[in-house]
Amino acid sequence: NAGVMQNPRHLVRRRGQEARLRCSPMKGHSHVYWYRQLPEEGLKFMVYLQKENIIDESGMPKERFSAEFPKEGPSILRIQQVVRGDSAAYFCASSPQGLPNTGELFFGEGSRLTVL
Amino acid sequence: TQLLEQSPQFLSIQEGENLTVYCNSSSVFSSLQWYRQEPGEGPVLLVTVVTGGEVKKLKRLTFQFGDARKDSSLHITAAQPGDTGLYLCAGSRGTSYGKLTFGQGTILTVHP
Repeated sequence: NAGVMQNPRHLVRRRGQEARLRCSPMKGHSHVYWYRQLPEEGLKFMVYLQKENIIDESGMPKERFSAEFPKEGPSILRIQQVVRGDSAAYFCASSPQGLPNTGELFFGEGSRLTVL
Repeated sequence: TQLLEQSPQFLSIQEGENLTVYCNSSSVFSSLQWYRQEPGEGPVLLVTVVTGGEVKKLKRLTFQFGDARKDSSLHITAAQPGDTGLYLCAGSRGTSYGKLTFGQGTILTVHP
């Protein structure tokens, strides 16, 4: 499967625990984006990363959320001390290096976080 | 502030009917995409439009980008039950390649 791979697909956490969501971009893609889809709301941009660099994190909550895309391995979205409001579907998308300005993204199937 | 307004939010029609979904904004976008999302899955790109006034066709789907690049429409001819799903428009501005602004989506249900 050469698509964007996300895991876990479903994650249940209790309030105060940590959630780690992983994303492997499509082969040959070096740009990764994280989006969040809250119930009854549209997709909202969170963060844009390239290998070892955070390019734009303007959509990330200021506290408890962090993201990384190391030189080796998947991109990780980390949520510390989760609260019920963090319950959502988190989608990762990727694009190839040198993409022209068309904003075409390839999305993974998402990780659905439920906070009890 | 919702920068991309989609309408209608819900659409329920019979097989064979035509429909149009609208995506409107007061802002100019350098490109606009339409995605389709099935329950439990991620959005799948249908089309990208980049030129004002551009029209693209994908089988029974026709996409149009407004002349001023502030709005777009998706028209489906002779809808089929397989067209059922969530349709999302998303705009890209300036050089923010993958930083898309999404509309809230239109849930389409096509009854046999």
